[in-house]
Amino acid sequence: GESVGLHLPTLSVQEGDNSIINCAYSNSASDYFIWYKQESGKGPQFIIDIRSNMDKRQGQRVTVLLNKTVKHLSLQIAATQPGDSAVYFCAEFKGGSGNTGKLIFGQGTTLQVKP
Amino acid sequence: NAGVMQNPRHLVRRRGQEARLRCSPMKGHSHVYWYRQLPEEGLKFMVYLQKENIIDESGMPKERFSAEFPKEGPSILRIQQVVRGDSAAYFCASSRQSQPQHFGDGTRLSIL
Repeated sequence: GESVGLHLPTLSVQEGDNSIINCAYSNSASDYFIWYKQESGKGPQFIIDIRSNMDKRQGQRVTVLLNKTVKHLSLQIAATQPGDSAVYFCAEFKGGSGNTGKLIFGQGTTLQVKP
Repeated sequence: NAGVMQNPRHLVRRRGQEARLRCSPMKGHSHVYWYRQLPEEGLKFMVYLQKENIIDESGMPKERFSAEFPKEGPSILRIQQVVRGDSAAYFCASSRQSQPQHFGDGTRLSIL
């Protein structure tokens, strides 16, 4: 069935290093993906999105890479800071029109930043 | 610009009671979504609404759960005759057409 999954449940990195969080998806028809960050007790916070007609998109300290051939998505965080500690979810757009509708979330990767 | 507002933040109900969760979308957003999150899990889609219309309710349990987004006022997720298994965090998101969904901080529902 369709699913969005993450390769590792927990990622521990040293402050100042780069972090890479991975995500695999199974629906090759999906054409829109979003990364969210969720801190304890809060709702998911939008980080960055990418459409399937792109393979890379950059934001402030973050980069999302999309490999449609192997159905793989990654989030790269440069110079990881303690404030980056959170659970990161990839989400896949499912159904509707104009990328408006149901999102399918993965299980999440917990990023721990060591000082 | 206020974000998505959900209330209450915490709600405690006894088995058999009704739970009402409210969501006010961001200004200018006409699309509202409800998701449920169990501990240590990702969010699961429940329902997608536009003003006065349910667009997709494929994630809603067939019984006891209902949602509305009236012309005036917040969106409401209603759970009747709650059971222990309804305990979860319920998140609301809103968006403009073809734009990313932005989430509120959720309502934590606890069933005694």
